[in-house]
Amino acid sequence: GQQLNQSPQSMFIQEGEDVSMNCTSSSIFNTWLWYKQDPGEGPVLLIALYKAGELTSNGRLTAQFGITRKDSFLNISASIPSDVGIYFCAGSQPGDNYGQNFVFGPGTRLSVLP
Amino acid sequence: EPEVTQTPSHQVTQMGQEVILRCVPISNHLYFYWYRQILGQKVEFLVSFYNNEISEKSEIFDDQFSVERPDGSNFTLKIRSTKLEDSAMYFCASSESVGDDSPLHFGNGTRLTVT
Repeated sequence: GQQLNQSPQSMFIQEGEDVSMNCTSSSIFNTWLWYKQDPGEGPVLLIALYKAGELTSNGRLTAQFGITRKDSFLNISASIPSDVGIYFCAGSQPGDNYGQNFVFGPGTRLSVLP
Repeated sequence: EPEVTQTPSHQVTQMGQEVILRCVPISNHLYFYWYRQILGQKVEFLVSFYNNEISEKSEIFDDQFSVERPDGSNFTLKIRSTKLEDSAMYFCASSESVGDDSPLHFGNGTRLTVT
């Protein structure tokens, strides 16, 4: 079935640094969603992208839907300790509209060092 | 802000027992989902539900699983005879519609431990 890959798998950064992570697939996706998950909690939606090339910001977060529709990146500027968590991308594919079967990537684990 | 709520937050059960996980989706949402996450792994789709019937299900969602919307607010996942490998976080999600502009909103999950 369709798969999403995320890189890096994990990253350690200093507080204040900018972060960039991405999500790629060999298949085309219609929608890209970025979620953050804190330990013991459910994924929280950060940014949703619906059109190829779309660039969307949410505070210090910026995400883009790749032109090829096979990738997306998420940037976090000026990281702070509460940015720690696992960041998941999720996508839905063309033709998968009724059930909206979102596929999740394996996640990028972010650690922020003070 | 409206949210998806799940109960219980943690359920411990013995192998072979039946469990029911409960969810209250966001009130104006029409599409409901169950996902699961085995510890340390990615979130996996189980099933989607619309208009009182299953829309789509994954190969994980076999005959031991069932879903129901017993009333106007609850959405449940039943596991008929639990196995050790069913231990995971189970997340309920809902969306207003499908297609563009309708992302999934997740609850905080139920941690199921099968002993």
